[in-house]
Amino acid sequence: QKEVEQDPGPLSVPEGAIVSLNCTYSNSAFQYFMWYRQYSRKGPELLMYTYSSGNKEDGRFTAQVDKSSKYISLFIRDSQPSDSATYLCATDTGRRALTFGSGTRLQVQP
Amino acid sequence: DSGVTQTPKHLITATGQRVTLRCSPRSGDLSVYWYQQSLDQGLQFLIQYYNGEERAKGNILERFSAQQFPDLHSELNLSSLELGDSALYFCASSVDSRGGEETQYFGPGTRLLVL
Repeated sequence: QKEVEQDPGPLSVPEGAIVSLNCTYSNSAFQYFMWYRQYSRKGPELLMYTYSSGNKEDGRFTAQVDKSSKYISLFIRDSQPSDSATYLCATDTGRRALTFGSGTRLQVQP
Repeated sequence: DSGVTQTPKHLITATGQRVTLRCSPRSGDLSVYWYQQSLDQGLQFLIQYYNGEERAKGNILERFSAQQFPDLHSELNLSSLELGDSALYFCASSVDSRGGEETQYFGPGTRLLVL
């Protein structure tokens, strides 16, 4: 079983839609969770970081961690064509390196 | 712009050859991480250096090696290259506060094509 699982998509939504991106993780000891955004042919860019459980909001983005079900989510409100990218969830597995999901490709149609 | 720089942006070489990828971390960051991103394996951690010393190793092949210099820049050396080594190689850096999670900032990557 992979430590972090993510649906690769692609996910296509109309502009203005609410987007929900999800990952599951295997080990309940994981505490730090991140969402990175990667545009085509670019490096991953940190979007959100959460510790333990709960929600964190930053503008149109909300990151949510549910430790009871080992589920992490990223919500994008009022999605824009510029949000079209691959979204990677990641966790610090305690070995001083990030373990990434496979990434979900999002396309926001104008 | 994350503040992490990588050179070269693109590299085309032949099987059996050796290449060196270079990374300069963000100002003040002591830790450097190398990752490989391929279509079939996704983004995978290779190796981490902290202040010149190797700290953690991931799925790094024996043909690959890295080092971090006193000025904190790092180099990833790939030798006896195979077709399957074609990938994007990313460098990331972090402050390494030792107090918990270390936010990693990624560079733009080096795209390696082995022919």
